[in-house]
Amino acid sequence: EAGVTQFPSHSVIEKGQTVTLRCDPISGHDNLYWYRRVMGKEIKFLLHFVKESKQDESGMPNNRFLAERTGGTYSTLKVQPAELEDSGVYFCASSQVSSRRSHEQYFGPGTRLTVT
Amino acid sequence: AQSVTQLGSHVSVSEGALVLLRCNYSSSVPPYLFWYVQYPNQGLQLLLKYTTGATLVKGINGFEAEFKKSETSFHLTKPSAHMSDAAEYFCAVIGAAGNKLTFGGGTRVLVKP
Repeated sequence: EAGVTQFPSHSVIEKGQTVTLRCDPISGHDNLYWYRRVMGKEIKFLLHFVKESKQDESGMPNNRFLAERTGGTYSTLKVQPAELEDSGVYFCASSQVSSRRSHEQYFGPGTRLTVT
Repeated sequence: AQSVTQLGSHVSVSEGALVLLRCNYSSSVPPYLFWYVQYPNQGLQLLLKYTTGATLVKGINGFEAEFKKSETSFHLTKPSAHMSDAAEYFCAVIGAAGNKLTFGGGTRVLVKP
């Protein structure tokens, strides 16, 4: 069974440009999460999809970030326009269910974004 | 709201020595606690988790952790470090909402021969 995959693995862009990150969850996982780790800080939650619906987007930093999950399969996270403070590693995770009792999230390898 | 504190951003241990990584949490509800490991150039991998029941939890690769409610702690241990244990370790908690993980800052483990 394929794990969570993310593309690209690395991206270097200039301030003001646009970048789109992609996440393919494990097949059959309705729940998809985005997290971010800024250099030297902890990993922080960005948002949570259940199928194609945004369940919780309380961690999205501002309106320069747009996440979509059309058809409830893969997800994209677009940053437009990118700022220097957006640099970091963006992780995607998926899970079958979102209840606390059986909760386990499977993580992808992350996309390292560098904004210069 | 919940939070996680990992004491020590870097830990150095000798091969064969005890590995002890400290994690303290705060949570407004009974916590579900996790330890994840990230090896170089890989994603986060679940080591072990505590939800309910036995407070001593065993995970993969010889790691275990003990949930101590009175101390609000969930420290990770391994009796004998191996070179392959060199990685970054993250403690995390899920709160009442049951969806998002709240992580500690991570502890990078260096294993010396």
